[in-house]
Amino acid sequence: KNEVEQSPQNLTAQEGEFITINCSYSVGISALHWLQQHPGGGIVSLFMLSSGKKKHGRLIATINIQEKHSSLHITASHPRDSAVYICAGWPGGKQGAQKLVFGQGTRLTINP
Amino acid sequence: EAGVAQSPRYKIIEKRQSVAFWCNPISGHATLYWYQQILGQGPKLLIQFQNNGVVDDSQLPKDRFSAERLKGVDSTLKIQPAKLEDSAVYLCASSFGTGTYGYTFGSGTRLTVV
Repeated sequence: KNEVEQSPQNLTAQEGEFITINCSYSVGISALHWLQQHPGGGIVSLFMLSSGKKKHGRLIATINIQEKHSSLHITASHPRDSAVYICAGWPGGKQGAQKLVFGQGTRLTINP
Repeated sequence: EAGVAQSPRYKIIEKRQSVAFWCNPISGHATLYWYQQILGQGPKLLIQFQNNGVVDDSQLPKDRFSAERLKGVDSTLKIQPAKLEDSAVYLCASSFGTGTYGYTFGSGTRLTVV
């Protein structure tokens, strides 16, 4: 079992739908990234959060540290939102030994 | 602010050939990371530098992979000789320190070994 689990692995929706991608983790983390990866490989960091909720445009990310769960929501989804969304946890503890622990990604396809 | 620069964007080589990737991190970022991402999986850390020293290379296949960051700025990752299973996207990332502040990924190099 992966330390960071995402669901669903694949999601197809129609333009305009409200999208939710979930991330659960079994390791203790101090912060969590939500990343977006378009075809071609490049990764863009959407959010980094350690508590509560962050919003940027149509994207909303929430995290509950006690429940070890985070969600990424997309409102009024658009075909250009089609990408792989990856959550990655940053473990607590000694700074020098830290490395991001990645989920396997959720492939989102928004059809017009 | 310029992002993390990587080159080339794409590379196709035959097995047993060698290949090198280049990464220039964001100015002032002390920590540089190389990741390997195989299709359908999350990125796997290959090596982490802080300035020009190696912090973690536990998952680097050292028989064929090597990396250097001689002046503590840009870095190269080399594979020699390449195998079919090395086909992946190689991502570089950098951050100010060893924590999360300013963590930024490059656009990646897609390697295909045939």
